[in-house]
Amino acid sequence: GENVEQHPSTLSVQEGDSAVIKCTYSDSASNYFPWYKQELGKGPQLIIDIRSNVGEKKDQRIAVTLNKTAKHFSLHITETQPEDSAVYFCAANDYKLSFGAGTTVTVRA
Amino acid sequence: DGGITQSPKYLFRKEGQNVTLSCEQNLNHDAMYWYRQDPGQGLRLIYYSQIVNDFQKGDIAEGYSVSREKKESFPLTVTSAQKNPTAFYLCASSGGGNEKLFFGSGTQLSVL
Repeated sequence: GENVEQHPSTLSVQEGDSAVIKCTYSDSASNYFPWYKQELGKGPQLIIDIRSNVGEKKDQRIAVTLNKTAKHFSLHITETQPEDSAVYFCAANDYKLSFGAGTTVTVRA
Repeated sequence: DGGITQSPKYLFRKEGQNVTLSCEQNLNHDAMYWYRQDPGQGLRLIYYSQIVNDFQKGDIAEGYSVSREKKESFPLTVTSAQKNPTAFYLCASSGGGNEKLFFGSGTQLSVL
């Protein structure tokens, strides 16, 4: 089955700086790669996703890049704000979604 | 207001007791899922259902049971056979294809 690894496990950034989270996956058949944001005590929310036929996707301050050859994808958050502090999960889809272990992002004021 | 409702928010289980977690959705989604979340770990799939009256085991189904009698509802029972049930349980639904999951707000289960 699919194995998703996510790094780093924790990330602390100064407000206004960029944050980057990286994930690798094992199954070359995976074709859908979503990112979820989870705030304390809540369920994860989809923030952006990308399909295997696209290399990059942007939505305001967040972007995702995908390298199919290397089997890795990344989340980029620019101009970070305090409300970006949360746990972020990547996932990859072969016949079901497999999640990474999560990255706790803290934005320092 | 469409969404997924999980209840209760907190639940305590005594030794040897079965407990049932509720999950209801009004998104008209065919597929529903149960995930377990432990601190510092990703979400692990317990059970999923692609259609009413049908469900499949996920990666960690032992000690859990589910039913899918209605499209809107997918309750999870944590049985006494689950020896380490303390975790945050998340229910999700999707319109199909295992994509764009919508999650509920979760149930924290603890053992007394």
